[in-house]
Amino acid sequence: EIVLTQSPGTLSLSPGERATLSCRASQSVSTYLAWYQQKPGQAPRLLVFGASGRATGVPDRFSGSGSGTDFTLTISRLEPEDFAVYYCHNYDSSRRTFGGGTKVEI
Amino acid sequence: EVQLVESGGDLVQPGGSLRLSCAASGFSFSDYAMSWVRQAPGKGLEWVSIITSGGGRTSYADSVKGRFTISRDNSKNTLYLQMDSLRAEDTAVYYCAKLEGPSFVGLLNYWGQGTLVTVSS
Repeated sequence: EIVLTQSPGTLSLSPGERATLSCRASQSVSTYLAWYQQKPGQAPRLLVFGASGRATGVPDRFSGSGSGTDFTLTISRLEPEDFAVYYCHNYDSSRRTFGGGTKVEI
Repeated sequence: EVQLVESGGDLVQPGGSLRLSCAASGFSFSDYAMSWVRQAPGKGLEWVSIITSGGGRTSYADSVKGRFTISRDNSKNTLYLQMDSLRAEDTAVYYCAKLEGPSFVGLLNYWGQGTLVTVSS
């Protein structure tokens, strides 16, 4: 089973700042890596797929990068609505996994 | 518009059973693989199970293998999760999610709002 390790666990930032979230896989997932945003009481929302592709309707302040085992989600300038929990997810096999999440808080 | 509506969540005693349903609309259900993902209170996301578009292949997380069964009825546009021998650690919000294609390898591109399962005496 592929283990996804996200860091940091919590990121304390202010609106307008840059956020850099990391996801490391225990073995290569190529670019079968997605990022989801989740707010309290809501279902996860797809942000990034294929490691760097932005989902429909996602603002361009969100960008993903990486391949193989090391991935990054960057939020260039935090807006108030961006404070949430972010999960990475590998989807290259029948048995997929999620990272533990990074909470971006004010 | 893609819609996924889960139902069937309830309070159940340890060792009990429950069947969750996910009613799909807004897309050709029989063309897409489907999955269940759960989230325990205050915890992260955990993938549970997946089924191909025709229902011929399934896969499960180790934590539920042998206790949960995923199935689908393409004539009713509905996904199911039969949950047996339930444990306290199965307490979670259960989400159904649509994949981007018919097979196991694919993005979870749409999610339902979830249904809460509570296992407690």
